[in-house]
Amino acid sequence: AQSVTQLDSHVSVSEGTPVLLRCNYSSSYSPSLFWYVQHPNKGLQLLLKYTSAATLVKGINGFEAEFKKSETSFHLTKPSAHMSDAAEYFCVVTRGVNFNKFYFGSGTKLNVKP
Amino acid sequence: EAGVVQSPRYKIIEKKQPVAFWCNPISGHNTLYWYLQNLGQGPELLIRYENEEAVDDSQLPKDRFSAERLKGVDSTLKIQPAELGDSAVYLCASSLGTSGTSTDTQYFGPGTRLTVL
Repeated sequence: AQSVTQLDSHVSVSEGTPVLLRCNYSSSYSPSLFWYVQHPNKGLQLLLKYTSAATLVKGINGFEAEFKKSETSFHLTKPSAHMSDAAEYFCVVTRGVNFNKFYFGSGTKLNVKP
Repeated sequence: EAGVVQSPRYKIIEKKQPVAFWCNPISGHNTLYWYLQNLGQGPELLIRYENEEAVDDSQLPKDRFSAERLKGVDSTLKIQPAELGDSAVYLCASSLGTSGTSTDTQYFGPGTRLTVL
């Protein structure tokens, strides 16, 4: 069963406009959720994580995400895109009692137009 | 603080040849992970070590893949013999604790891009 669904494989925005990258998850237990970013030829970098504290999570570089249990969603947002945000973004969920087993979504490539 | 180090960064080999990847985790991190990332997809776990013990190797193709983490620090991942379908990026990650009751952040290395010709 699919644990993480990233609803868009590609998103294109203009610089200075808002970013929305969508993620839905399925988990039998209270999940932990993460967003990672991967720039070309670079390793995955943690943007933010949710681990059952505040539902609105703020991360690095102005990104934030809101955990909505009723919608099983954890969408990533940023008010104003910057050219340097162009990269691939991965939503990650832990499932079950094994908190260190990560399930990655298939990724969303963000393109930022000048 | 140094991050997760991987080498080599790129490797090109012919099919049926052996290949090995090396990973040095963040100092003090007890758990080490190897992931496979195919083009256009998210990483998939191959094996997870807690200290020296492989606690989850259910996704490791054991007929051709092997891994070790001697002394609970560095790790190597080997493929022998390599097949065309093994072309991918191999990522290493580490986290501080072990399975326990909380979720640790995983820190990733830059990966090794393998091309099998």
